[in-house]
Amino acid sequence: EDKVVQSPLSLVVHEGDTVTLNCSYEVTNFRSLLWYKQEKKAPTFLFMLTSSGIEKKSGRLSSILDKKELFSILNITATQTGDSAVYLCAREGAQKLVFGQGTRLTINP
Amino acid sequence: GAVVSQHPSWVICKSGTSVKIECRSLDFQATTMFWYRQFPKQSLMLMATSNEGSKATYEQGVEKDKFLINHASLTLSTLTVTSAHPEDSSFYICSASRGGNSYNEQFFGPGTRLTVL
Repeated sequence: EDKVVQSPLSLVVHEGDTVTLNCSYEVTNFRSLLWYKQEKKAPTFLFMLTSSGIEKKSGRLSSILDKKELFSILNITATQTGDSAVYLCAREGAQKLVFGQGTRLTINP
Repeated sequence: GAVVSQHPSWVICKSGTSVKIECRSLDFQATTMFWYRQFPKQSLMLMATSNEGSKATYEQGVEKDKFLINHASLTLSTLTVTSAHPEDSSFYICSASRGGNSYNEQFFGPGTRLTVL
């Protein structure tokens, strides 16, 4: 069965903290692993990962994929209140995206 | 570039009526469009994949007679929720892809919130 599992489901931290979000997936027809940020409307794209061990970075956000252990992490350093959102990971395969249940991140000032 | 719009952004209707949601790619041709449903505090669940000019492919458990999808042009797909009931209340999001091997390049619309009374 296509399954993408994210943890934790919910996380509350203080501004300035560093957070790590986890995503594990099943390997069937894997092509890529994607991370999205969803605030109130549609998801916005963050990263696409296809190769193991290569970190993708954008400002305070970074992500890496481990294809052997079938997981990915999303790191956010020096968090800000604007980082509060639901973070979704999705596995691409068999011509579709399968999303995890998301991690709801809340950054308190 | 790669902007996708949805209309309406929210709709309230009475039980038993039908509701049509439009998804448009504004600045590119979308060979493939996807329709997702998202219940509160849950993730996006793919409902169906539609390719321009052909019948949509529905995911397991999604009733094709209830959720009618039309993808008549390369820039427009519509989802019609027929005989809507309160349990159909949800956030419906479409995405568009140029197709080919780029299924990971999906551009999402802003979503339509449907409330059925």
